[in-house]
Amino acid sequence: SYDLTQPPSVSVSPGQTATITCSGDALPKQYAFWFQQKPGQAPMLVIYKDTERPSGIPERFSASSSGTTATLIISGVQAEDEADYHCLSPDINGIPVFGGGTQLTVL
Amino acid sequence: QVQLQESGPGLVKPSQTLSLTCSVSGVFVNNRDFHWAWIRQPAGKRLEWIGRSYSNGNTNSNPSLRSRVTISLDTSMNQFSLNLTSVTAADTAVYYCARKNMGTVETFDIWGPGKLVTVS
Repeated sequence: SYDLTQPPSVSVSPGQTATITCSGDALPKQYAFWFQQKPGQAPMLVIYKDTERPSGIPERFSASSSGTTATLIISGVQAEDEADYHCLSPDINGIPVFGGGTQLTVL
Repeated sequence: QVQLQESGPGLVKPSQTLSLTCSVSGVFVNNRDFHWAWIRQPAGKRLEWIGRSYSNGNTNSNPSLRSRVTISLDTSMNQFSLNLTSVTAADTAVYYCARKNMGTVETFDIWGPGKLVTVS
């Protein structure tokens, strides 16, 4: 079955830049989406269609996608950004698949 | 304001059927701009897409669960439902209902708060 691979954890100090990657063979042909999930809460969309930011999401959240890797970038990380981040992309049959999630720790 | 809310038993016995309902407010479930999905998350594991209903009631589901999953749309009650048969401990998870916005974002833009279902 199709797999999206994320690092289990990323740690950064406040004000630094956090980079979270998502690797998958179908990414050159499929959009990537990113969700933020805080403990006890449902996931929340922070990036759609590789690079687009929904209204209400701070400008410090950005993303890129190249080849088989999609990347979420959080510039000037704040304490409130501490959360799990999940990538999502369809497999070649259009079935939505989530990555394993990355726990972002703000030191 | 669009809101989704899951409801149903929080405890299901092994081999029985898990049944959940997602009540939708603020938008009609027969709106062609949206699909209606079920997603689950076992503790400490990745999110897993279970399946969806289109606005016309057609459905499709994850091949890994397809033989056990039924999703239905109820336009009169403005809700949609999930039935998962022959459950085991591996089906213990937080179950989310979500709206897939087929417009600009083309993904799950509104989620319910989630319902923990334990199989035991």
